[in-house]
Amino acid sequence: ILNVEQSPQSLHVQEGDSTNFTCSFPSSNFYALHWYRWETAKSPEALFVMTLNGDEKKKGRISATLNTKEGYSYLYIKGSQPEDSATYLCAFSTGTASKLTFGTGTRLQVTL
Amino acid sequence: GAVVSQHPSWVICKSGTSVKIECRSLDFQATTMFWYRQFPKQSLMLMATSNEGSKATYEQGVEKDKFLINHASLTLSTLTVTSAHPEDSSFYICSVMQGNTGELFFGEGSRLTVL
Repeated sequence: ILNVEQSPQSLHVQEGDSTNFTCSFPSSNFYALHWYRWETAKSPEALFVMTLNGDEKKKGRISATLNTKEGYSYLYIKGSQPEDSATYLCAFSTGTASKLTFGTGTRLQVTL
Repeated sequence: GAVVSQHPSWVICKSGTSVKIECRSLDFQATTMFWYRQFPKQSLMLMATSNEGSKATYEQGVEKDKFLINHASLTLSTLTVTSAHPEDSSFYICSVMQGNTGELFFGEGSRLTVL
């Protein structure tokens, strides 16, 4: 069984705070690591797909890093805003791109 | 990225009835679509891979006779929950994949409640 662990389960920060979440995954036979943002009543939206050890990707105030040797990825949000409130999912695939295993997500709430 | 539409958003049905959920790829010809299920406080779990013009591939533990999948065209896949029971109550969501890294584009999901 391939397990993806995300921590924390939930997080409540104030506007302007920076925050980060962790995604742990089995490091063997790694293919790709995905981050998705899932706002309530909307579809999950892809943030990043990373494939190489040491990858760092950035989109606006959000960035992610990848360590495939030790099996973890961090997602950072700088200067959180209320619109960042969502559940952040990570998922990884092994050997083939087609099958993703998801974590349970980190639920972020940003208040004024 | 691909735009995926799913219908209905929510459905309530009586035990023993069948429910059909549609997944449409609006701007992308999808030879493959993925159906996931999420129970409360659990992760999205892949149920089956829908293949256009051929049989779906089901994950271990998913009954193919209970969860009928039809992918008759490049833009439409349907999931029918047959003889639904309360334990089938869940959130069902479909997706298509673009690119060689496997990025998924999801529908809005369908919440099924079986009374």
